[in-house]
Amino acid sequence: EIVLTQSPGTLSLSPGEVATLSCRASHSITSNYLAWYQQKPGQAPRLLVYGAFSRATGIPDRFSASGSGTDFTLTISRLEPEDFAVYFCQQYGSSPRTFGRGTRVENK
Amino acid sequence: QVQLQESGPGLVKSSETLSLRCSVSAGSITDYYWSWIRQSPGRELEWIGYSYYTGTTNYNPLFKSRVTMSVDTSKNHVTLNLTSVTAADTAVYYCATTRYYYDSSGKGVLGPFDYWGQGTLVTVSS
Repeated sequence: EIVLTQSPGTLSLSPGEVATLSCRASHSITSNYLAWYQQKPGQAPRLLVYGAFSRATGIPDRFSASGSGTDFTLTISRLEPEDFAVYFCQQYGSSPRTFGRGTRVENK
Repeated sequence: QVQLQESGPGLVKSSETLSLRCSVSAGSITDYYWSWIRQSPGRELEWIGYSYYTGTTNYNPLFKSRVTMSVDTSKNHVTLNLTSVTAADTAVYYCATTRYYYDSSGKGVLGPFDYWGQGTLVTVSS
């Protein structure tokens, strides 16, 4: 199975700053079928990005994503108060589908 | 937008079977593939598998010998059965939808998890 390693584990930033989150795969992800999710306490994950860079419906454009093969990045250009949360990457190019362990973005 | 609601016992005894239901509303159950995903207390997310109304299933090998999933179109719900549970199965269990979409090269792909239920906590006790 494909193991996804996210870094850093925690990112301490202030509102208005840029957040850069990394997701590295143990093997190349088929056709860059990689998604990003946001999870807030007590809530289910919410889909942000699919296909490595396509924003899901209703996701603000301050969220952008890039990458291919084994290295992927999620960038939040100007952190809003509601963006402090845990972010997971997930691959759906091969079975079993797997998730990274998440990056927590916390308010400094 | 489809709405999902998980339900089932919050406490299951070790070695018994965990049974959960995901009730579907505001959408057609036949439009989606239905996944179960769990999240351990340490926040790790694990995909358990998916089922489709035709009977098609795909299970994570980690669970394959213990899991059964099905879709009941007459009752508009999806079920998960996980046998021989242990404390390691204690987690929040989510149901989530997956759909086919066409990627930038025009290839059809079963996509990510786009709609999720709120999740239900299941604790396995000894």
